[in-house]
Amino acid sequence: QVQLVESGGGVVQPGGSLRLSCAASGFTFSSYGMHWVRQAPGKGLEWVAFIRYDGSNKYYADSVKGRFTISRDNSKNTLYLQMNSLRAEDTAVYYCAKDLPNCTGGVCYSFDYWGQGTLVTVSS
Amino acid sequence: EIVLTQSPATLSLSPGERATLSCRASQSVSSYLAWYQQKPGQAPRLLIYDASNRATGIPARFSGSGSGTDFTLTISSLEPEDFAVYYCQQRSNWPPTFGPGTKVDIK
Repeated sequence: QVQLVESGGGVVQPGGSLRLSCAASGFTFSSYGMHWVRQAPGKGLEWVAFIRYDGSNKYYADSVKGRFTISRDNSKNTLYLQMNSLRAEDTAVYYCAKDLPNCTGGVCYSFDYWGQGTLVTVSS
Repeated sequence: EIVLTQSPATLSLSPGERATLSCRASQSVSSYLAWYQQKPGQAPRLLIYDASNRATGIPARFSGSGSGTDFTLTISSLEPEDFAVYYCQQRSNWPPTFGPGTKVDIK
């Protein structure tokens, strides 16, 4: 069965950095695009970033562009999110999510499997 | 950016009752709309994609309909495990966006 397990969350000061990881199993990781989606405490869902199955294209929400970098290592079945210049408003649970398959252009922007999430708190 | 509006914000119903949740888009999203269920402390779970397609393993009591700007998620007969928050999400236009959610709670 598909499993996505995030790690790397924690407390960081404003302006600091953190790297999240998402270990994938139960499917052919190298064949699917992957996303990060976040949820601030008590709030709704916000899409953060996407990477194509082979890492050739990456897309970011305007709110994180230039500060966050999504990457993947298909040999390790792992997705990453490098977060720099963190702000209080980046405080959230960060979920990795698998892209729905079989869409035109190779990216669906809907999410058929999600990890359990990792909490990032940006506070002094 | 496409804005999704969900109504009602809260729906109070009893087990066995029918639930009808609405999602409206600020412009047409064709049929590119998904529904997710989220329980406290858990990740969202995909229920419906592309307006009316049930995801793998989703019970038949969940159904989706609509196109363009108006969409509905129907739960034909609420089970105890269905009390949760439901989000709609569009993938028609970049960036993908979510609605604010509808909470279905026990009356």
